[in-house]
Amino acid sequence: AQSVSQHNHHVILSEAASLELGCNYSYGGTVNLFWYVQYPGQHLQLLLKYFSGDPLVKGIKGFEAEFIKSKFSFNLRKPSVQWSDTAEYFCAVILQTGANNLFFGTGTRLTVIP
Amino acid sequence: GAGVSQTPSNKVTEKGKYVELRCDPISGHTALYWYRQSLGQGPEFLIYFQGTGAADDSGLPNDRFFAVRPEGSVSTLKIQRTERGDSAVYLCASSWGAGELFFGEGSRLTVL
Repeated sequence: AQSVSQHNHHVILSEAASLELGCNYSYGGTVNLFWYVQYPGQHLQLLLKYFSGDPLVKGIKGFEAEFIKSKFSFNLRKPSVQWSDTAEYFCAVILQTGANNLFFGTGTRLTVIP
Repeated sequence: GAGVSQTPSNKVTEKGKYVELRCDPISGHTALYWYRQSLGQGPEFLIYFQGTGAADDSGLPNDRFFAVRPEGSVSTLKIQRTERGDSAVYLCASSWGAGELFFGEGSRLTVL
């Protein structure tokens, strides 16, 4: 079955620590990949996206993600987290052809301790 | 406003009642999506509209759930004979196509 897996359910880091959140998907076709963020009490917002080209994509607030096709992965990274990065992070996938619905992972809650 | 607007933001109802949730997408967006998010889970796809028609309703859990978008803009998600298991945050999103989805703040439904 098609799915999006986020391995970490809750990550706790101190400020200035480096972050990597895992995301793997299981789709056979060509995909577009996204990371969305949901800050406490706010709606989902796009952090970054990959459609084609350079597999290393940069998003807002210093986040980046690398698409590794052979591993079906799209891990999110940030070299130095801040307290304001505390939020829920969702990886999502959409097939480039066929269905237009976005499939989400279960999310990773990030807590950054000042 | 410039974003996706959802009303009501909170709805508390009793088991067995009928509920309507409204979504006003970003002006000009042709695609509209409904998702459901339960506690501790990622958003779960319900239905997708392209214009006025439901292009994919495969995520609707059963026939108590129905959605319309009669003029290709505002959409209403309708839930009949609500059950406690329907309690969740119902998210609406819109887009120009198979690209970035813009989400509303959601309607939190609580069925007592």
